[in-house]
Amino acid sequence: GAGVSQSPSNKVTEKGKDVELRCDPISGHTALYWYRQRLGQGLEFLIYFQGNSAPDKSGLPSDRFSAERTGESVSTLTIQRTQQEDSAVYLCASTLYGRDTEAFFGQGTRLTVV
Amino acid sequence: KQEVTQIPAALSVPEGENLVLNCSFTDSAIYNLQWFRQDPGKGLTSLLLIQSSQREQTSGRLNASLDKSSGRSTLYIAASQPGDSATYLCAVRPAGTYKYIFGTGTRLKVLA
Repeated sequence: GAGVSQSPSNKVTEKGKDVELRCDPISGHTALYWYRQRLGQGLEFLIYFQGNSAPDKSGLPSDRFSAERTGESVSTLTIQRTQQEDSAVYLCASTLYGRDTEAFFGQGTRLTVV
Repeated sequence: KQEVTQIPAALSVPEGENLVLNCSFTDSAIYNLQWFRQDPGKGLTSLLLIQSSQREQTSGRLNASLDKSSGRSTLYIAASQPGDSATYLCAVRPAGTYKYIFGTGTRLKVLA
C-alpha cells in the first residue's frame, strides 16, 4: 500500500477484555515497530520485528502484551485482560532494512479501556 | 541509557517568523536522528533524516542540523505558516540497536 495502515482507528473496550490491534506496513519494508503514546506523553518503544522474528521485545510492559508478525507483512499486537492504564494511542512504523532508513508511521489506534 | 530532550515544550509565534526547535541527546553513539511532526489525533509524519556522518539536511523551508559530539540537533523553520502548527518530535537511533528513542516534543502554534 501507499503507507502504513492501522486498524481499528479507535477501540473502546471494557476492562478485562482482550484486544487485537493490526498493522499493515509499507510493502517491502522488512522492519516493523510498535510504540505506545499515552496522553500528553512521549512515544514508548514496545517491540521491533525484522521479518517475522522479534529481536527486541524489551519494551513490552508486561506478559499481557504480545505481538506477532506474518512473514514481512501484517503484524498484530494483542493485549490480554486490558487495564485502564493500557489506554493510549498505539502506533506502528515500518522501514526498509538498514541502519539509515527512514521510519514511516501509521495513523495509530486509539485504545480506551473503560 | 540514551535520553532525548526537547526544548521548549511549547512555542507560540506570529506567522512569518523564523524559528528554531532544539533536541538534545545524552549519548553521541547514534546511527541517525529523525525529525517528525504530529498533528492532533494523528500519526507521525517524517520530515528529515540526518545520518550520523552528516551535518545537516534541508527540505523546503525546513533545515535540520546535527552536532553529534555535543549531542544536539536543531530544526530551523523559515517563514512559519499557520499550517506548520503541530507537535515536532525528534528521535535518535542508538548505535547497535534498531529502535528509535523519542523526545517528548515541542508543541508549536503559529498565529495568523
